[in-house]
Amino acid sequence: KNQVEQSPQSLIILEGKNCTLQCNYTVSPFSNLRWYKQDTGRGPVSLTIMTFSENTKSNGRYTATLDADTKQSSLHITASQLSDSASYICVVIAYGNNRLAFGKGNQVVVIP
Amino acid sequence: DSGVTQTPKHLITATGQRVTLRCSPRSGDLSVYWYQQSLDQGLQFLIQYYNGEERAKGNILERFSAQQFPDLHSELNLSSLELGDSALYFCASSGGTSGGPLTSTDTQYFGPGTRLTVL
Repeated sequence: KNQVEQSPQSLIILEGKNCTLQCNYTVSPFSNLRWYKQDTGRGPVSLTIMTFSENTKSNGRYTATLDADTKQSSLHITASQLSDSASYICVVIAYGNNRLAFGKGNQVVVIP
Repeated sequence: DSGVTQTPKHLITATGQRVTLRCSPRSGDLSVYWYQQSLDQGLQFLIQYYNGEERAKGNILERFSAQQFPDLHSELNLSSLELGDSALYFCASSGGTSGGPLTSTDTQYFGPGTRLTVL
């Protein structure tokens, strides 16, 4: 079983609307959690990095939340734009471990 | 532009062949990571090098090997290629002073990828 599960697998939203992506993880002990945006055929780009002591972190219209107790994170996209169409990948890093646990991504399609 | 470069951009080869993918990290970054991304899979961590030394190994097949050179560029060698090796291969780099696990202050920068097609 994957240590990082993301939902929904894919979604379509209208331009200008908001959406929320979910990430649940079982990685332990927890060090930090990252959200990446990956445009089709391109390398992922870091959006946010959060430690257990951070509940919320924003990067422009992207806001990530973290509940380290329930091992859940979310990424909220506000006032979506066509350029937000991409895969959003949740990555969790264990304390003392060089290996990264990747989710399979949330595929977001924004339509006009 | 992340500052990480990868060559070639595309590679088409036949089963049984051997290929080499090249990665140059961002200036000053000592850690290089290699990932494989297939259509039906997420990103799979293969291997990490720090300042020329192997630091972590993921799901890397024995047919695959990598190294990091004194100028910090890295190469991923894939041999006895199979159809299932067709994928996007990404390299990423990060700073840090020990090559240990990524801390909250270590941003990882990905290159544009090499698309490998095995026919």
